[in-house]
Amino acid sequence: DGGITQSPKYLFRKEGQNVTLSCEQNLNHDAMYWYRQDPGQGLRLIYYSQIVNDFQKGDIAEGYSVSREKKESFPLTVTSAQKNPTAFYLCASSMRQGGQETQYFGPGTRLLVL
Amino acid sequence: GQQVMQIPQYQHVQEGEDFTTYCNSSTTLSNIQWYKQRPGGHPVFLIQLVKSGEVKKQKRLTFQFGEAKKNSSLHITATQTTDVGTYFCAGPSIYNFNKFYFGSGTKLNVKP
Repeated sequence: DGGITQSPKYLFRKEGQNVTLSCEQNLNHDAMYWYRQDPGQGLRLIYYSQIVNDFQKGDIAEGYSVSREKKESFPLTVTSAQKNPTAFYLCASSMRQGGQETQYFGPGTRLLVL
Repeated sequence: GQQVMQIPQYQHVQEGEDFTTYCNSSTTLSNIQWYKQRPGGHPVFLIQLVKSGEVKKQKRLTFQFGEAKKNSSLHITATQTTDVGTYFCAGPSIYNFNKFYFGSGTKLNVKP
């Protein structure tokens, strides 16, 4: 069954802690993305990666870090430098084919700071 | 930086009424895509438009891409309660195909 998985579904973080959100895809997609969604808001791009071992900052990368050591995996670390991390985090992957590129989203992780 | 705005932010309609959301980008897009996010869920791809002035239909949904490829609209005819959710437009600019810009979204509520 192909798709994108994110874990955990809910994550609680204490002040000053780093936490890592998992994103795995078995769609053989080259590109992967991380977005942040705040209540009632749109999606804001945190980081994206077009190929293994390469990634680029999005519009709100401060306080976050990523790695892309494998094509299937694109974990996101929310560091203690991120002052307002409570949000819904969405991972997506895509493949450009014939001029078309569609983003497929995982189910998301809700992060709450205690 | 590039911005993609949608109006209205919220829309409440009676079941059976029509609904339209408008998407405007500050820069030219190479293509426009529409996504639907149900409450508590994740965005799901609906459709992609590539050509200037393109119009596509999916049952009760009609999508348009503007001539300048900077705006788009989604029109739903005779809404149903299953249409409830937030509709996002998105697309890469012609200057950077690798970055997707999502609109601010329009949240649709349909009263039975």
